[in-house]
Amino acid sequence: GDSVTQMEGPVTLSEEAFLTINCTYTATGYPSLFWYVQYPGEGLQLLLKATKADDKGSNKGFEATYRKETTSFHLEKGSVQVSDSAVYFCALVLTGGGNKLTFGTGTQLKVEL
Amino acid sequence: DTEVTQTPKHLVMGMTNKKSLKCEQHMGHRAMYWYKQKAKKPPELMFVYSYEKLSINESVPSRFSPECPNSSLLNLHLHALQPEDSALYLCASSLEGADSYEQYFGPGTRLTVT
Repeated sequence: GDSVTQMEGPVTLSEEAFLTINCTYTATGYPSLFWYVQYPGEGLQLLLKATKADDKGSNKGFEATYRKETTSFHLEKGSVQVSDSAVYFCALVLTGGGNKLTFGTGTQLKVEL
Repeated sequence: DTEVTQTPKHLVMGMTNKKSLKCEQHMGHRAMYWYKQKAKKPPELMFVYSYEKLSINESVPSRFSPECPNSSLLNLHLHALQPEDSALYLCASSLEGADSYEQYFGPGTRLTVT
């Protein structure tokens, strides 16, 4: 079946450090890929998306590139802030999949001063 | 405006109570979703409505009853819940017609069943 695998957390970084959260997927078709962020006590917010191979999604300094050859969609940010502390979910939806999102397990990020 | 609103924010109910969760969006989205999220886990899909008709039911127990009275509103009626149903319930919406359309989530209702 379709699945998303994320790196285990928590990831703890100092402010201004470089962030990478790994995400790989398995899909029987051609997925669209998403990163969602969930701040404590809140719902999920769409961070960025990519709908086809080699697309780069970007938002608020975060970037991820859809790599079909490695089935990956790693999230990166050049300089994290304390306010980036949250749980990050990688997700996919298959073309013709009836709008069903498949989520990874989530990666908690803690950014310290 | 990319806002999905949910009420109430918090709900405590006994196992014999009947309550409802409400969700509203005014983005013109014709697909709406209910998810259940337990602590430190990703959301789990419960129901999908497409053009006000139930299109997906992920084998959810009948004590959860969804309703989509119009294109902007989505309800989840709760009856005879169990303590293990305590969770964050998230509503989401999206455009309909292409799977690449992103889903927008509300802030959730935190439900505690006593």
